[in-house]
Amino acid sequence: QKEVEQDPGPLSVPEGAIVSLNCTYSNSAFQYFMWYRQYSRKGPELLMYTYSSGNKEDGRFTAQVDKSSKYISLFIRDSQPSDSATYLCAMRPGSGGYQKVTFGTGTKLQVIP
Amino acid sequence: DTGVSQDPRHKITKRGQNVTFRCDPISEHNRLYWYRQTLGQGPEFLTYFQNEAQLEKSRLLSDRFSAERPKGSFSTLEIQRTEQGDSAMYLCASSLALEPDTQYFGPGTRLTVL
Repeated sequence: QKEVEQDPGPLSVPEGAIVSLNCTYSNSAFQYFMWYRQYSRKGPELLMYTYSSGNKEDGRFTAQVDKSSKYISLFIRDSQPSDSATYLCAMRPGSGGYQKVTFGTGTKLQVIP
Repeated sequence: DTGVSQDPRHKITKRGQNVTFRCDPISEHNRLYWYRQTLGQGPEFLTYFQNEAQLEKSRLLSDRFSAERPKGSFSTLEIQRTEQGDSAMYLCASSLALEPDTQYFGPGTRLTVL
C-alpha cells in the first residue's frame, strides 16, 4: 500500500464548476501538506501549503486537512480552462532533521469551455 | 531571477552510456533537491543538498547515480551505465532552508534510454 493515495482521474468538469481533489494517506506522522499543479511536460508549481488540520484559502483555491481521517482536499471554485493540469498532493512529517516529501500520483483535471 | 533552470531539457542516450544533468537553483536558495518522475507517477525524492553538503539520499539512488553541488550553487546529477529503467523526468527544485515546503521546481530533464 502506498503512503499517499490519489485518484489519477481524469476528471472532466465544465467551466465554472467547483472541483474537488482529494488524497488519503496512511502515515500519521505527516504534518505538512502541499498541493502542486503540473502542466504537461513542465515542473510542478506549488499552489497551497498547510500545516496540520484546518482550512486555508487563497483566491479560488481552498485546501482542507482532516488529520483524524487522514484525508486532504483541494477545492477550486469557478474553474477555468487554464486550470486544466495534473494536481499533485504532497506531504511530509514534522520536526527533526530533513523529512522526505512524499507525493501522490496526481489527478489529471480537464476543464471544458 | 528567472527561477530554477535545468539543462538539457531532453536527453536521448543508449543503454550503458553515462549522462550528466545540470540544475541552476534560484540564487538565494541554499537547499537543492533532485527528484525523478515517471509517467503517471508523482515525483520521487532522490537526494538533497544544503549548500554544498549532500545531507540525504534515497535508497532509489543506486551507486550508478551521483550528485554534486561543489560550490553550493549549481548541481549536477550523473547516471553511469544507464539502463532502460532510468528513463524518466529528472526534476530539480530549490528552497530556503527555513522554508522547506516552498520548493520551486525547474522544468525537468527528460531522459530516454534506448
